[in-house]
Amino acid sequence: AQTVTQSQPEMSVQEAETVTLSCTYDTSESDYYLFWYKQPPSRQMILVIRQEAYKQQNATENRFSVNFQKAAKSFSLKISDSQLGDAAMYFCAYVASGTYKYIFGTGTRLKVLA
Amino acid sequence: GAVVSQHPSWVICKSGTSVKIECRSLDFQATTMFWYRQFPKQSLMLMATSNEGSKATYEQGVEKDKFLINHASLTLSTLTVTSAHPEDSSFYICSARGLGTGELFFGEGSRLTVL
Repeated sequence: AQTVTQSQPEMSVQEAETVTLSCTYDTSESDYYLFWYKQPPSRQMILVIRQEAYKQQNATENRFSVNFQKAAKSFSLKISDSQLGDAAMYFCAYVASGTYKYIFGTGTRLKVLA
Repeated sequence: GAVVSQHPSWVICKSGTSVKIECRSLDFQATTMFWYRQFPKQSLMLMATSNEGSKATYEQGVEKDKFLINHASLTLSTLTVTSAHPEDSSFYICSARGLGTGELFFGEGSRLTVL
């Protein structure tokens, strides 16, 4: 069975600094998607970044980038130049291609210190 | 990007009553929507997959008679919590999958409090 593990329940980062959130997953599939979703205090989940497993190049979205290590089944999120608005719960998610069942990690609460 | 709207955002009801939560895809057709439940400081737990025009698929351990799901159109899915009890109090979130990208678009969530 597929699993997603986020080993950091909570992280803190100083404003303008860089922080990395960890995520590992387990699957026997070769084709899948990985995501990082953000859930701010307003509670609506929004997509931060997406990675297709067949792509070797790490995805980047402005200040957000991932380190995707397929062999190690690792998918970490790096947030550069952290801003107060980045404070939220971050969920790592996996879905096998062609399926609908998303597997979410337990989340990492990110605090940004002014 | 695609928008999914959920209503109501919060509801308080008495024990024994039923509560309906609506999930709408505003700018795209969603043949499949998903209903999640989230406990405080925990991850999202998939409750069921809602398929337009057919019966919902429930996850193991989720009572289909307690959580009624109807997906009557390509833009609307509803979750009805029947005979609600305090243990049903939770945050319920719906989502729909975007075509081709695999991305999930989430509703704002509905906080249910059963007194």
